[in-house]
Amino acid sequence: DTAVSQTPKYLVTQMGNDKSIKCEQNLGHDTMYWYKQDSKKFLKIMFSYNNKELIINETVPNRFSPKSPDKAHLNLHINSLELGDSAVYFCASSRYVNRGRVGELFFGEGSRLTVL
Amino acid sequence: DAKTTQPTSMDCAEGRAANLPCNHSTISGNEYVYWYRQIHSQGPQYIIHGLKNNETNEMASLIITEDRKSSTLILPHATLRDTAVYYCIALTGGGNKLTFGTGTQLKVEL
Repeated sequence: DTAVSQTPKYLVTQMGNDKSIKCEQNLGHDTMYWYKQDSKKFLKIMFSYNNKELIINETVPNRFSPKSPDKAHLNLHINSLELGDSAVYFCASSRYVNRGRVGELFFGEGSRLTVL
Repeated sequence: DAKTTQPTSMDCAEGRAANLPCNHSTISGNEYVYWYRQIHSQGPQYIIHGLKNNETNEMASLIITEDRKSSTLILPHATLRDTAVYYCIALTGGGNKLTFGTGTQLKVEL
């Protein structure tokens, strides 16, 4: 069983479209994250949710909207896609938040988004 | 969280120990040192973390200097599958935001 699963793994779309990436974790974790890795391989946090509550929101355009229907799912919706949104998006989850340490993050395999 | 500095790349012969250094001279007393790695095209993988004592698990050992200004990740018997980018991250004990730097590209060769 995959611990953190993302779908789709690959997504190719046109500028201006709206798309979603889904993430699910079966580890019973309370906290989930979205990270973006650009073409230069820099890995940056975008959002974090703890028990469906947004706790980290980095400087990300409003076109990006995370949605957490329950603590096992964190989806990423992107409106009006731009060329610069092309990247690999990683979902992750962890057990500890605000309990003294973040604990280890478990990452998904990534979703490669290509905007043409 | 403290800034960390790592060499850009390192090579290691298969079967030998890989020693990856990390400098975190501005680390504060409540910051942990975390190590992750990212094998090509995969999601990052947690390896180990520590505060001030040396740590060992099934994947690696973490040696933290007494002044905590630097640490070394040791892969005791590197294999080709250990070829990856290794990230050293300092994180406040109450923090929940891992900030990845550029890491060290470790290449394990025959």
